[in-house]
Amino acid sequence: DVKVTQSSRYLVKRTGEKVFLECVQDMDHENMFWYRQDPGLGLRLIYFSYDVKMKEKGDIPEGYSVSREKKERFSLILESASTNQTSMYLCASSGGHSYEQYFGPGTRLTVT
Amino acid sequence: TQLLEQSPQFLSIQEGENLTVYCNSSSVFSSLQWYRQEPGEGPVLLVTVVTGGEVKKLKRLTFQFGDARKDSSLHITAAQPGDTGLYLCAGARYGNKLVFGAGTILRVKS
Repeated sequence: DVKVTQSSRYLVKRTGEKVFLECVQDMDHENMFWYRQDPGLGLRLIYFSYDVKMKEKGDIPEGYSVSREKKERFSLILESASTNQTSMYLCASSGGHSYEQYFGPGTRLTVT
Repeated sequence: TQLLEQSPQFLSIQEGENLTVYCNSSSVFSSLQWYRQEPGEGPVLLVTVVTGGEVKKLKRLTFQFGDARKDSSLHITAAQPGDTGLYLCAGARYGNKLVFGAGTILRVKS
C-alpha cells in the first residue's frame, strides 16, 4: 500500500514565523502535491512537483514555497506565516501519468 | 478555469435511506474521481470513471459518468453510519493534476 506521511498532525505557530511542513511517500512516485483544504472551498492546489528539484505553481501559491531535494520528500514552506494561512494542509503523491492521488493524513495549522 | 460544483453541500439521513450526490461542470474531463474523507484523515480514492456513460459499482455505491463527461453522480443504497464522511469529486486536468469540488458532507444517523 502507498503510504504518505506528514510530519505533524497539528501545529500552532505565531504570525511572522517561518513554517516547514514535511511530506514523505514510500512508493517511488514521481508526482507530489500540496493542497490546502478550507470548509466550503474543497482542496486547492498550492504547488506541484513532477520530479526532484522541479516545481510548478498551483492555483494559490502566494505566500508559499516548496522544496524537493529527494524524490520521496516534498516540503511546503511558509516564509512568514499569516493568520489567513490557518488551514488543513494535505500532501499527496501519484505515479507517472496516473491521476490517482494518495493523500497523507493532513496537518492542521493554526497561525495566531 | 475548470470548476466542479457538488450538490448538496450537506446531507443528513437515517440509516437505510438512499441518497445521491451530484458533481457538475461546464467543462469536459478526460476522467473523474470520487474520494471519501473521514474526520482527521486525508481523502481516500473510491473510484475513477473514464468513459462517458460509464457506471461503476462498489458494493452499495454506484458511480456514473455523464455521457458528455461533464458530470458525475454517486448513489448510495441503504446508507450505513460507516458511510459518514466528506465525499469529494475531482476532475483530471493537464499535467496529472486534479480540480476538486467543494465536497458533500454526509451524516448517516443510526
